[in-house]
Amino acid sequence: EVQLVESGGGVVQPGGSLRLSCAASGFTLSSDWMYWVRQAPGKGLVWVSRINSDGSITSYADSVKGRFTISRDNAKNTVFLQMNSLRAEDTAVYSCARGASYRLDPWGQGTLVTVSS
Amino acid sequence: QSALTQPPSASGSPGQSVTISCTGTSSDVGGYNYVSWYQQHPGKAPKLMIYEVSKRPSGIPDRFSGSKSGNTASLTVSGLQAEDEADYYCSSYAGSLYVFGTGTKVTVL
Repeated sequence: EVQLVESGGGVVQPGGSLRLSCAASGFTLSSDWMYWVRQAPGKGLVWVSRINSDGSITSYADSVKGRFTISRDNAKNTVFLQMNSLRAEDTAVYSCARGASYRLDPWGQGTLVTVSS
Repeated sequence: QSALTQPPSASGSPGQSVTISCTGTSSDVGGYNYVSWYQQHPGKAPKLMIYEVSKRPSGIPDRFSGSKSGNTASLTVSGLQAEDEADYYCSSYAGSLYVFGTGTKVTVL
């Protein structure tokens, strides 16, 4: 079964850091673009970042640029999101998704990040 | 990076059709044929329903169809069923960036 599983979420104080992981099973993600998307409680989907198959091309939403870094380890079939200088407005469920031809499928169930003092 | 504009809600009776619009700009929806639609039930991960404006992934019923005219894309759900009640989001490639719509809650009356 093709599956993505996120981990690394939790409660962090404003200004703190977290590193999220997205592990793939049932397929090899080394040939795919990968995306991170977040959804604040009761709100809509917001694109966060994307990375190409070998990690040489990345892009970020303006709201996280300079604070978040996306990376990948194809040998471990895993994608990461390093989040620094976290703010209350970063509180959300963070999900990863495979993105071939700009369509996101499948998605993971997400990991909750709460930024609070 | 403004979100694409969708109506907050739409509704229809079982068997009827509902159409959801998704309005962007020439920098996203109007500039590329990379519009996708996602269905999300409460507490669940989004599910891809339409990609590249009008293509359906395998397993998606043909009751779901997509189209685009200028800067506005549309998703039509025909023959509404109870299980179609969910939130729907459009998305578009936007030249190295990616953008989602504001979301539409579809209610089956």
